[in-house]
Amino acid sequence: QKEVEQDPGPLSVPEGAIVSLNCTYSNSAFQYFMWYRQYSRKGPELLMYTYSSGNKEDGRFTAQVDKSSKYISLFIRDSQPSDSATYLCAMSVRGSQGNLIFGKGTKLSVKP
Amino acid sequence: DVKVTQSSRYLVKRTGEKVFLECVQDMDHENMFWYRQDPGLGLRLIYFSYDVKMKEKGDIPEGYSVSREKKERFSLILESASTNQTSMYLCASSLQGGANTEAFFGQGTRLTVV
Repeated sequence: QKEVEQDPGPLSVPEGAIVSLNCTYSNSAFQYFMWYRQYSRKGPELLMYTYSSGNKEDGRFTAQVDKSSKYISLFIRDSQPSDSATYLCAMSVRGSQGNLIFGKGTKLSVKP
Repeated sequence: DVKVTQSSRYLVKRTGEKVFLECVQDMDHENMFWYRQDPGLGLRLIYFSYDVKMKEKGDIPEGYSVSREKKERFSLILESASTNQTSMYLCASSLQGGANTEAFFGQGTRLTVV
């Protein structure tokens, strides 16, 4: 079992839809959880960052962490064509010198 | 804003050449990382460094070496480029401290070895 599992998609939704992206993990020591967005031929950019369990909201984006289920989610409300990108989850253990473990990414396409 | 700059966006090199990929960050971050990204395989860690002149192997260090002579600069070296090293290479940096912090990425270098 890989440490971090993420459905690669592709996921295609109409503009305005609510998008749900998910990752599961096996290492219960993970405490820091991140979502990165990567546009084609660009480097990943940090979208959301959460520590331990709970929800975090930033505009149209909500990140959820359920440590008991080892499951994290990213919700995008009112999705826009500009949200079309690959979304990568990442996580790390406290004290690991910032060494992130990434999911393989989910490719999202939002159709006008 | 944190800026991580990679020296080239696109590179084409011949098999057997020695290749240098340079990365510079301007936010005084202690940690720096080199990843490669391939379709279906995701991001894989090659090497990382948490201090000047310090380096640690990641998941796939074979065929690569690194150099960190200054805090802001982290170089990836392909000693003898091979076609299976054709990939997107990503540099990242992050702060070190009691709590982990997020990594910031450069724009990537797409390397083609012919």
